[in-house]
Amino acid sequence: QKEVEQNSGPLSVPEGAIASLNCTYSDRGSQSFFWYRQYSGKSPELIMSIYSNGDKEDGRFTAQLNKASQYVSLLIRDSQPSDSATYLCAVIRGSQGNLIFGKGTKLSVKP
Amino acid sequence: NAGVTQTPKFRILKIGQSMTLQCTQDMNHNYMYWYRQDPGMGLKLIYYSVGAGITDKGEVPNGYNVSRSTTEDFPLRLELAAPSQTSVYFCASSLQESSYNSPLHFGNGTRLTVT
Repeated sequence: QKEVEQNSGPLSVPEGAIASLNCTYSDRGSQSFFWYRQYSGKSPELIMSIYSNGDKEDGRFTAQLNKASQYVSLLIRDSQPSDSATYLCAVIRGSQGNLIFGKGTKLSVKP
Repeated sequence: NAGVTQTPKFRILKIGQSMTLQCTQDMNHNYMYWYRQDPGMGLKLIYYSVGAGITDKGEVPNGYNVSRSTTEDFPLRLELAAPSQTSVYFCASSLQESSYNSPLHFGNGTRLTVT
């Protein structure tokens, strides 16, 4: 079982819709969870972080964490074409501080 | 602040050649990292450093070496380039160990092709 799993997509949504990106992780001791956005040919940039169960909202972005199910998701409301990118889920394992990345989900928002 | 600066941006190597990927940061971060990203894949940690003079292996260290003589610089050395090392390399830094309050800052990447 991979440590951090994401559906590679592509996920295509129309402009204005809600995009839902999902991620599961294998280490129950994982403490912190991150979503990075990566535009094609660019470096990853942090858009959300979460460490407690529940929802965390920041503008159009909402991160959701369920540690019992080992599941973290990212919702993007009112999706815009500028949101088209690959979204990387990253997890810090409980035993050490290095980030483990998933393969990423490619999101395409159609005008 | 320039943040994390990587050079070169692009490089083509022949099999067996060697090169050094440069990385420098001006944020006085203690922690620095080297990742590689293959097409359609996530980032894999090659090496990391928790401070000057201290380095440690990540998930995929074979074929690479690093040094950390100063807080600012963290070069990555490829001694005998192989086609399997064709990838995009990202350097990153953080003030403390990766945590909720200490996110990674990435450089712009080096695209390396080995033929």
